[in-house]
Amino acid sequence: GDSVTQMEGPVTLSEEAFLTINCTYTATGYPSLFWYVQYPGEGLQLLLKATKADDKGSNKGFEATYRKETTSFHLEKGSVQVSDSAVYFCALIPSGGSYIPTFGRGTSLIVHP
Amino acid sequence: DTEVTQTPKHLVMGMTNKKSLKCEQHMGHRAMYWYKQKAKKPPELMFVYSYEKLSINESVPSRFSPECPNSSLLNLHLHALQPEDSALYLCASSPDRGPTDTQYFGPGTRLTVL
Repeated sequence: GDSVTQMEGPVTLSEEAFLTINCTYTATGYPSLFWYVQYPGEGLQLLLKATKADDKGSNKGFEATYRKETTSFHLEKGSVQVSDSAVYFCALIPSGGSYIPTFGRGTSLIVHP
Repeated sequence: DTEVTQTPKHLVMGMTNKKSLKCEQHMGHRAMYWYKQKAKKPPELMFVYSYEKLSINESVPSRFSPECPNSSLLNLHLHALQPEDSALYLCASSPDRGPTDTQYFGPGTRLTVL
């Protein structure tokens, strides 16, 4: 079946540091890939998405590129802020079947001033 | 209107109570979802409605009963819950059920079962 693997957290950074959160997936065909962010006590918010190979999703300084050859969708940000502290979920929707999304385990990011 | 709303924000209920969670969207989306999320875990899919018809039930116990009265509204009726059902219940909607249809989530209802 489909699966999404995220790096285990928490990831702890100082403000203005560079962020990478790794995400790799297993799926047949060409799934769509998503990053969601969840702030404490809130629901999930879509951060960015990519629907085909080599697409780059970007939003609020975050970027991720759909790499079919490495089955990866790593999240990056050049300079994190304290307000970026949250849990980040990588997810996929398969290209066929029931279109049920598969989520990664989530990676907690803590940014210190 | 580009959001999914959920009420109530918090709910505390006993094991013999009957309560309902409500979810609403006015984006014209034709697919709606219920998820359960435990602390420090990803959301787990419970139900999917597509064009107001239940299309997926992920083997959820019958003490959870979904209802979709119209294309904008989704309810989750709760009865005789167990303490282990305490969790954040998230509603989501998407334009349709397809490989590129983004799901938009509500803020959730924090449920505590005593």
